[in-house]
Amino acid sequence: DAGVTQSPTHLIKTRGQQVTLRCSPKSGHDTVSWYQQALGQGPQFIFQYYEEEERQRGNFPDRFSGHQFPNYSSELNVNALLLGDSALYLCASSLRNNSPLHFGNGTRLTVT
Amino acid sequence: AQSVTQPDIHITVSEGASLELRCNYSYGATPYLFWYVQSPGQGLQLLLKYFSGDTLVQGIKGFEAEFKRSQSSFNLRKPSVHWSDAAEYFCAVGADPSNTGKLIFGQGTTLQVKP
Repeated sequence: DAGVTQSPTHLIKTRGQQVTLRCSPKSGHDTVSWYQQALGQGPQFIFQYYEEEERQRGNFPDRFSGHQFPNYSSELNVNALLLGDSALYLCASSLRNNSPLHFGNGTRLTVT
Repeated sequence: AQSVTQPDIHITVSEGASLELRCNYSYGATPYLFWYVQSPGQGLQLLLKYFSGDTLVQGIKGFEAEFKRSQSSFNLRKPSVHWSDAAEYFCAVGADPSNTGKLIFGQGTTLQVKP
């Protein structure tokens, strides 16, 4: 049973560039949530996708956007990268009806 | 606004000793509480959760946590720590039991285990 998979595992970008991170949810899950984890901090909620729509959003600027595909996989896009966007980006999947989150191993983004 | 505080940034215990990691939350209604563990280079793994009912919750790997509403706490405990328990531990609170996707996490506690 495949868990949550994320790609790539590591990424280095330059300020001002754009980046796309990808996530495949655990088999049977239909909801994807994205989190940003800065070094030494707990994860912070970015947004959640269900039925291909953004359902909830945390306190992140519009530079952060996402998408969910019919197969429930998801993308996180970040435009106009800033140095402060350097972090571990975690994808988590769940079932809509009250199931705990299952996290992937994350994508480590470094902005130089 | 919801918030979670983990007062201890770093804790060191000897292998075989007992462990208690503290977690305090701020939330007006009934909170939904979680403990996650993160090993280096890994994602987060759920240890246990509290939604309602018995305030003492059993989790995986021999961990348990007790919800104390009067103290706004949800401390994690383990009677005997193993070297493999060394990791980062996060307490989290959720507002909606029907949607556990949006959680507020604490800053984390790093557990070091001495041989």
